Amino acid sequence: GENVEQHPSTLSVQEGDSAVIKCTYSDSASNYFPWYKQELGKGPQLIIDIRSNVGEKKDQRIAVTLNKTAKHFSLHITETQPEDSAVYFCAASKGAKAGKSTFGDGTTLTVKP
Amino acid sequence: GAVVSQHPSWVICKSGTSVKIECRSLDFQATTMFWYRQFPKQSLMLMATSNEGSKATYEQGVEKDKFLINHASLTLSTLTVTSAHPEDSSFYICSAGDRGVGEKLFFGSGTQLSVL
Repeated sequence: GENVEQHPSTLSVQEGDSAVIKCTYSDSASNYFPWYKQELGKGPQLIIDIRSNVGEKKDQRIAVTLNKTAKHFSLHITETQPEDSAVYFCAASKGAKAGKSTFGDGTTLTVKP
Repeated sequence: GAVVSQHPSWVICKSGTSVKIECRSLDFQATTMFWYRQFPKQSLMLMATSNEGSKATYEQGVEKDKFLINHASLTLSTLTVTSAHPEDSSFYICSAGDRGVGEKLFFGSGTQLSVL
C-alpha cells in the first residue's frame, strides 16, 4: 500500500519567515495530494491541493510543489503569521478516492511573534 | 466551501454505555462519508467508509460490531460506539467528499470522547 512520510515533525519559525514542509510517497499511482491544517481540538481543514498533472499551485501565501519523478511534494508558506501555527498534514490518494488517502504523520508549526 | 457539521463536539460517558456521533453535509450531498480516529499528536487513522444506503466498509482491525455506522441519507452518517470502554476514548472525526469540486475532502470539527 501507499506510504507517506512527512518532515519535519516540528517546525518553529519567526513571524514573517517562510516555512517548508516536505512529504514523500511510495505509490507512483497516487495522483491527488492535499494539504490540511488542523488547529487544536478541531478537524482538519483543506488548505491547498495539487493533482499529478500539475507541478505547482499557489494560493496567496501558500504554495505546493510536486515532483512526480522523485515522488515528493512540499508545502510552502511565506510571510508566516502567528495564526499559521497549527498541525499540518499531507496526504496522497489515487483517483477519486480522497477519503482513502494515506496521511503523513503531521508537522507542528509554531510561528513566533 | 462545503461544510461538514459534526456533533457533539465532546462527550463524556460511563463505561458500558453507547454514544452516537452525527456527521452532516450541510450544503452538498455525500454518497460516501469517512470516519477517522485520532490519538493525541498522531495522524488520522481511517476506521471505515460509510456508504449511503448500504453497509459500511471497515478497515482492517476495526470491530464493526463495536463501531456501528449508519448512512441513511445523502447528508447524514452516524457512528455509534457501543458498550464504550476507557480505551475507546479518542478524538473521532468524519469527512465527506464533495464531488462538485472533484474529490476534495471536507472534515467535521471532531468529537472528543472520554469514557470514564
